[in-house]
Amino acid sequence: NAGVTQTPKFQVLKTGQSMTLQCAQDMNHEYMSWYRQDPGMGLRLIHYSVGAGITDQGEVPNGYNVSRSTTEDFPLRLLSAAPSQTSVYFCASSPRGGSYNEQFFGPGTRLTVL
Amino acid sequence: AQSVTQPDIHITVSEGASLELRCNYSYGATPYLFWYVQSPGQGLQLLLKYFSGDTLVQGIKGFEAEFKRSQSSFNLRKPSVHWSDAAEYFCAVAGRRALTFGSGTRLQVQP
Repeated sequence: NAGVTQTPKFQVLKTGQSMTLQCAQDMNHEYMSWYRQDPGMGLRLIHYSVGAGITDQGEVPNGYNVSRSTTEDFPLRLLSAAPSQTSVYFCASSPRGGSYNEQFFGPGTRLTVL
Repeated sequence: AQSVTQPDIHITVSEGASLELRCNYSYGATPYLFWYVQSPGQGLQLLLKYFSGDTLVQGIKGFEAEFKRSQSSFNLRKPSVHWSDAAEYFCAVAGRRALTFGSGTRLQVQP
């Protein structure tokens, strides 16, 4: 099993550009989520999904969109990048039970917005 | 709303010394608590978790944590630190939607 994979590993954008961060898992997990990590702030939830076709907002959803058309994939879209979105982004998945279960994290995407 | 506080931003210990990382939580019901470790440039890995039962839980890599309801604490301990333990450690509490993380404690290990 590859676990949770994220692409790209690094990305530099200009303000106003859009892009999609990819996340995939091969563990047949129902629950997937996106976090951003900023210095001194831990990880904050952006969006999450409890299954294919179901998504919901987290703590910091503004400027981001998600969709979940398959169990395996959970892409995160930045609609119009802003410098405030410079961060490290982590995708995570877990079996049924969502946040009450162990989360399996991907290696992260480091995004810089100029 | 739930919250997690990790009072120590940065801790330095000597290799072989004991370690305790502090975590305080705020949650209305019986909490589901976790400790995760993040090595440089990596994602997070689960060290241990507490759901119920025995208040002293054992984890991987020789770590343990003790749940103290009266103090709203879930401190992480290790009797003898190894250089490979240098990393950032996050305490988290599970909520209905997702985990709430503390701001992390960065551990430096001196030879």
